[in-house]
Amino acid sequence: DAGVTQSPTHLIKTRGQQVTLRCSPKSGHDTVSWYQQALGQGPQFIFQYYEEEERQRGNFPDRFSGHQFPNYSSELNVNALLLGDSALYLCASSLAGQGASYEQYFGPGTRLTVT
Amino acid sequence: GDSVTQMEGPVTLSEEACLTINCTYTATGYPSLFWYVQYPGEGLQLLLKATKADDKGSNKGFEATYRKETTSFHLEKGSVQVSDSAVYFCALNNFGNEKLTFGTGTRLTIIP
Repeated sequence: DAGVTQSPTHLIKTRGQQVTLRCSPKSGHDTVSWYQQALGQGPQFIFQYYEEEERQRGNFPDRFSGHQFPNYSSELNVNALLLGDSALYLCASSLAGQGASYEQYFGPGTRLTVT
Repeated sequence: GDSVTQMEGPVTLSEEACLTINCTYTATGYPSLFWYVQYPGEGLQLLLKATKADDKGSNKGFEATYRKETTSFHLEKGSVQVSDSAVYFCALNNFGNEKLTFGTGTRLTIIP
């Protein structure tokens, strides 16, 4: 049973460029959440996708956008990259409707460096 | 809004020492509480969870009890091993199936 997978593992971009990160959820999961983890900090929620729609969004600018495909995989897009966007980007998957039994399973992350 | 406060790190202990990492939270309603662990170069792994007051989560010798009266969820282990060296994150989820709110993490180093 494959867990959550993310690609690429590492990425180096220049300020002003655009980047796309990809995530495949754990088998059987239908919900994907994205988090940004700056160095030495806890993960910060970016947004969550369910049924191909953005369900909830954290305090991130519109430069951060996403998409969920019919097979539940997801992409995170960041436009006009800033130095401060350098971070580990984590994808997490879960199954909707679990209520108090809810759990999110995390992928290994994509390390983005903006120069 | 919801928030999680963890004890400041880093924490360095000798092998077989007792561990406590403090975590307190602020949230409306009745959140579920989690401890996640992040080993070097890896993503987050769920260590344990508790979904209601007085629940005790446990895994791999670690324990944490959901204390609603003190809004706390402290992580404990009676005898730590070198392999426990990692960063530990306390987190909460409110209203189910939505975002996790994390603390800043506590780096734990165990020396032989």
